[in-house]
Amino acid sequence: AQKVTQAQTEISVVEKEDVTLDCVYETRDTTYYLFWYKQPPSGELVFLIRRNSFDEQNEISGRYSWNFQKSTSSFNFTITASQVVDSAVYFCALSESWAGTALIFGKGTTLSVSS
Amino acid sequence: GAGVSQTPSNKVTEKGKYVELRCDPISGHTALYWYRQSLGQGPEFLIYFQGTGAADDSGLPNDRFFAVRPEGSVSTLKIQRTERGDSAVYLCASSHQTGVNTDTQYFGPGTRLTVL
Repeated sequence: AQKVTQAQTEISVVEKEDVTLDCVYETRDTTYYLFWYKQPPSGELVFLIRRNSFDEQNEISGRYSWNFQKSTSSFNFTITASQVVDSAVYFCALSESWAGTALIFGKGTTLSVSS
Repeated sequence: GAGVSQTPSNKVTEKGKYVELRCDPISGHTALYWYRQSLGQGPEFLIYFQGTGAADDSGLPNDRFFAVRPEGSVSTLKIQRTERGDSAVYLCASSHQTGVNTDTQYFGPGTRLTVL
């Protein structure tokens, strides 16, 4: 069975601190996709990144970076120099590779950034 | 371009009533998904449409839940004889289906359903 675990329920940091959100997944598939979504207080899930299981290269996008390690089944997300606008719930999700498969979400990590 | 839209944004109903929730996907997206998100939880899959047909409805919790997409665009999630446990945010997502591999799902703002 597929499962996503986000062990950190809540994280609080002060602006400009770096923060890493952990994501550990379980799947028997050899081909799969991993995602991160952001859910700000407004409620809408915002897509951040998609990764397939064959691409273990780390990715950086501005202040965001992602570390994918198949050996530890982890797909961690780091925000550098956090800002108040980063405050949100962040979800990690997993899906099989075939079109039309459902996303399996973790329970989310609530990030609070104070000024 | 326009994203996924959902109406109403909030719905309050009484136990036992019937409700309909509407989703308008991104133009050109053939795949449409419904999820349900309870407080403090991640979204949980309900049903997936490819075009007009429900390709996977394995997430529907029971036969009180039903969804349609008659013209392959707008979808309606229907809940009969609502129960207090149905209270949640119902999310809709859409995606391209460019090939056999999964595509990114883009979500709407959700409908918050409260059953009194």
